[in-house]
Amino acid sequence: DAGVIQSPRHEVTEMGQEVTLRCKPISGHNSLFWYRQTMMRGLELLIYFNNNVPIDDSGMPEDRFSAKMPNASFSTLKIQPSEPRDSAVYFCASSPGGVDYEQYFGPGTRLTVT
Amino acid sequence: AQSVTQLGSHVSVSEGALVLLRCNYSSSVPPYLFWYVQYPNQGLQLLLKYTSAATLVKGINGFEAEFKKSETSFHLTKPSAHMSDAAEYFCAVSRAAGRRALTFGSGTRLQVQP
Repeated sequence: DAGVIQSPRHEVTEMGQEVTLRCKPISGHNSLFWYRQTMMRGLELLIYFNNNVPIDDSGMPEDRFSAKMPNASFSTLKIQPSEPRDSAVYFCASSPGGVDYEQYFGPGTRLTVT
Repeated sequence: AQSVTQLGSHVSVSEGALVLLRCNYSSSVPPYLFWYVQYPNQGLQLLLKYTSAATLVKGINGFEAEFKKSETSFHLTKPSAHMSDAAEYFCAVSRAAGRRALTFGSGTRLQVQP
């Protein structure tokens, strides 16, 4: 079991550029979550999908953020245009179905916007 | 809405001493509760979970937590701290019945002194 895979692990970009973060959930898991972690705001849920369908995107900060899950094995989080305040660690997590609510986290992508 | 409060953003113990990390929850429905650990520059790892079965839950690395409905608490304990326990610990609650999204606490950083 490879666990949740995220890429890139580190991203440094300039303000105004488009950033795309990628996530491959654990095979067989049907829920996927995107989180953002900062010192000031802690761990925030941005959006989550169930069976590839967005269920709750109320945490997405603004229209500059978008997320997709075209199939069960891949999701992207895009920021366009990026701003320095978007600098954070972005985590992807997946969860199996049934009665098991626990989430399995990826290693995160550290985004720095200069 | 469901929420968790972690008392103490920093806790320091001596190696071999008892570890006690506090978590209180607020939930309008029977909660599912979780403790996660985050080591530096890594994602979150599940320590243990409560899902309405036994109120005393044992997890990995010698940690355990007790669900106390009367106190709305789910404190994390370990009888004897080890240097490798130094990390940040997050308590989390399921957001709503049937919903897989979790709400995380602000975290408690555990420091273990030699």
